[in-house]
Amino acid sequence: DQQVKQNSPSLSVQEGRISILNCDYTNSMFDYFLWYKKYPAEGPTFLISISSIKDKNEDGRFTVFLNKSAKHLSLHIVPSQPGDSAVYFCAASEDTGFQKLVFGTGTRLLVSP
Amino acid sequence: DAGVTQSPTHLIKTRGQQVTLRCSPKSGHDTVSWYQQALGQGPQFIFQYYEEEERQRGNFPDRFSGHQFPNYSSELNVNALLLGDSALYLCASSLNGHLSTDTQYFGPGTRLTVL
Repeated sequence: DQQVKQNSPSLSVQEGRISILNCDYTNSMFDYFLWYKKYPAEGPTFLISISSIKDKNEDGRFTVFLNKSAKHLSLHIVPSQPGDSAVYFCAASEDTGFQKLVFGTGTRLLVSP
Repeated sequence: DAGVTQSPTHLIKTRGQQVTLRCSPKSGHDTVSWYQQALGQGPQFIFQYYEEEERQRGNFPDRFSGHQFPNYSSELNVNALLLGDSALYLCASSLNGHLSTDTQYFGPGTRLTVL
């Protein structure tokens, strides 16, 4: 049972353009969402998060949008840079008094010069 | 400030053997979580340790066990290894593990291959 889904295994974007990565979830108890970036031979690196009480959170070039009614979130990267090429994981957690992350399967982003 | 460190980097074992993986959390962090990442999949939660106790467990059999030491470092033990245990094992540490909004910081992982 895949509670967090990233239906696009890969995405190619040109440098300077916008990258949009999508994530869907099925568990309505999720109330905190995160995006992690992973380079080869490294562990996932925290990128940005959003609480379910918000619909948007911005940090520099990265913006996460949350649509609770559609159980959908997206990560926008503007402008995209070649160094952004990595695998991006969407993750979610419930408010259970501790954080247990449920991850999607990842989207590989390739930003070409 | 050192981040989360894990050892060894790579490990090759045969079916039926036992393995121990080690993790040192980021300085000041008291909560350690372990995840298994199979090829082509996202990380899956194994369990979390806080104050030397296993606080929560994912859908993993009892062959997977762990320990947290007074200095907050942690070990993951897997007994009776199966081919399907081949994966990248990730350790993550956090400052306030009792908060669902906490941020987990991941180590580089240990790549386990079971032959």
